[in-house]
Amino acid sequence: DIVMTQSPVSLPVTPGEPASISCRSSESLLHGNGNTYLDWYLQKPGHSPQLLIYLVSNRAPGVPDRFSGSGSGTDFTLRISRVEAEDVGVYYCMQAVQTPPWTFGQGTKVEIK
Amino acid sequence: QVQLVESGGGVVQPGTSLRLSCTTSGFTFSRYAMYWVRQASGKGLEWVAVIWHDGSTTYYRDSVRGRFTISRDSSTNTLHLQMNSLRAEDTAVYYCVRGFPETQWPTSLDSWGQGTLVTVSS
Repeated sequence: DIVMTQSPVSLPVTPGEPASISCRSSESLLHGNGNTYLDWYLQKPGHSPQLLIYLVSNRAPGVPDRFSGSGSGTDFTLRISRVEAEDVGVYYCMQAVQTPPWTFGQGTKVEIK
Repeated sequence: QVQLVESGGGVVQPGTSLRLSCTTSGFTFSRYAMYWVRQASGKGLEWVAVIWHDGSTTYYRDSVRGRFTISRDSSTNTLHLQMNSLRAEDTAVYYCVRGFPETQWPTSLDSWGQGTLVTVSS
């Protein structure tokens, strides 16, 4: 199974400042069809997770453009250009190149300083 | 809009059974794969099972294979998870999730229900 590792585990942020989260996979997430199957999800406090980014860099409908994803192979990054208070929660990356199983990172908790 | 509403959670003893249901609306159910994903209290997300849009294929994580059965009813647009021989380690919130893209091997989880809590305890 592909193991997903996120860093940091906890990320204190200042509103208005940028923030970034790293996700690394134990194997390349590049599929033979040319797609790279890496998603980002956000679980706000007390809520269900929601899809933020799919295929490394595609924002899901309704996701603000301050969120961006990048990376290739085994190294990926989620960036928030200017953090807002509503962005707090736990962020998860997930791979879907080698399924089953679909595997998630352990999560990164973003909180306001 | 897409709605996924889980039900059937509760407190049960080890070794017993429980059946979760997910009532869906707002989309063409028969065109999407559907997942169950769980989350133990204070822990991360864990994929449990998936069923293809047409019901032709199912997959399970190793720890539930042979005990859990995922199924779908297109006449009622409902997803089910039959859980037998429950263990303490199955205690979690169970989310019903829609797979994306439609009618293809699902690679993203684009809509989530609110979850239903399953507690396995003596």
